[in-house]
Amino acid sequence: GAVVSQHPSWVICKSGTSVKIECRSLDFQATTMFWYRQFPKQSLMLMATSNEGSKATYEQGVEKDKFLINHASLTLSTLTVTSAHPEDSSFYICSARSQGDYEQYFGPGTRLTVT
Amino acid sequence: AQKITQTQPGMFVQEKEAVTLDCTYDTSDPSYGLFWYKQPSSGEMIFLIYQGSYDQQNATEGRYSLNFQKARKSANLVISASQLGDSAMYFCAMREASYGNNRLAFGKGNQVVVIP
Repeated sequence: GAVVSQHPSWVICKSGTSVKIECRSLDFQATTMFWYRQFPKQSLMLMATSNEGSKATYEQGVEKDKFLINHASLTLSTLTVTSAHPEDSSFYICSARSQGDYEQYFGPGTRLTVT
Repeated sequence: AQKITQTQPGMFVQEKEAVTLDCTYDTSDPSYGLFWYKQPSSGEMIFLIYQGSYDQQNATEGRYSLNFQKARKSANLVISASQLGDSAMYFCAMREASYGNNRLAFGKGNQVVVIP
């Protein structure tokens, strides 16, 4: 099956710093990647959708200047949380799909803690 | 408006028993798909089963089956012969053809705890 990896699996950073999370499709070309955020005991909230080579489309209420998404290749998308604050602490999950495929393949998630 | 509704509180299920998780959805799009995912405490999203809106038969995958009632807009997941490893959060999600890029809308989830 299709495999999506995320790195790092967990990260602790200090308030005010930036942190980058990578999402890679290992065995398929991901024309579209999605970034989700999940708070404890809650559902996944879609933050943004990125198509390879295009600017990301952010969902309403998501600050594009704070959550920078880059999808420069068909196998890699990155999410950078800029000037992180404790309220940004969350579980971030990416998913990817290839063109013509309706199914999304999920990465294992990254747990971010901002101190 | 909420697209996916999962309202059951946390459930305790006896091992080897069957459990049904409710999911109702709201869409006016004739072309859509419904997914169920399992999320154990590790956090990974595990795909369980898919039902397309035009599929005539209910989807089945091993111990998982989807009770698709299109007129009622419900897509309940049935897990037969529960195992301890089935303890997890379960999310229902919908893909609509008109909801660009095949984005998914998720329900709030159902917590299932299987007890021996």
